[in-house]
Amino acid sequence: GAVVSQHPSWVICKSGTSVKIECRSLDFQATTMFWYRQFPKQSLMLMATSNEGSKATYEQGVEKDKFLINHASLTLSTLTVTSAHPEDSSFYICRAAYGYTFGSGTRLTVV
Amino acid sequence: DQQVKQNSPSLSVQEGRISILNCDYTNSMFDYFLWYKKYPAEGPTFLISISSIKDKNEDGRFTVFLNKSAKHLSLHIVPSQPGDSAVYFCAASGGNRDDKIIFGKGTRLHILP
Repeated sequence: GAVVSQHPSWVICKSGTSVKIECRSLDFQATTMFWYRQFPKQSLMLMATSNEGSKATYEQGVEKDKFLINHASLTLSTLTVTSAHPEDSSFYICRAAYGYTFGSGTRLTVV
Repeated sequence: DQQVKQNSPSLSVQEGRISILNCDYTNSMFDYFLWYKKYPAEGPTFLISISSIKDKNEDGRFTVFLNKSAKHLSLHIVPSQPGDSAVYFCAASGGNRDDKIIFGKGTRLHILP
């Protein structure tokens, strides 16, 4: 149980465009999901907590207008990187608050 | 302010020997501790966890020890195998499943043939 699916696994986009990453809980309902970011050879940093039906809670230093989070259903949370820049290139990972399982991650490259 | 610290960026261990990865934490509110294994461009894989009410948890080749008074935990892997080569992250949480998980910086483990 507690399977978390993340899509896409990798994406390349041009500077200035927006990219949406999906995180789905496949075999359970998750009222809370978490979004992390990992830069190369660094730790997994919590970006925000996504709550179904309400606004996300962002960690200090994370721009909420740049990283839009939507948690419209109990099985899906989305992270949209708006007006992406090369410095947003990173590995984004989600976790659903049911177990301690993480998604497989999304590698974002902004060119 | 780093709440979970892994002070060894890397560790090399001979195959068959014991690997010991260390972790310290500063927040006394942490109630649950986890170890994850991670490969590049993949999500972290859960290995083993321990509640603050215990001092040891064992699962096959993996054992986690917790010294709550010292705010220190360690992961022992014995015997070490080539497939154990990866980055290991120590993590801590409040104890409820919907609590945040806070990660250390990770330790890269190399198992030498």
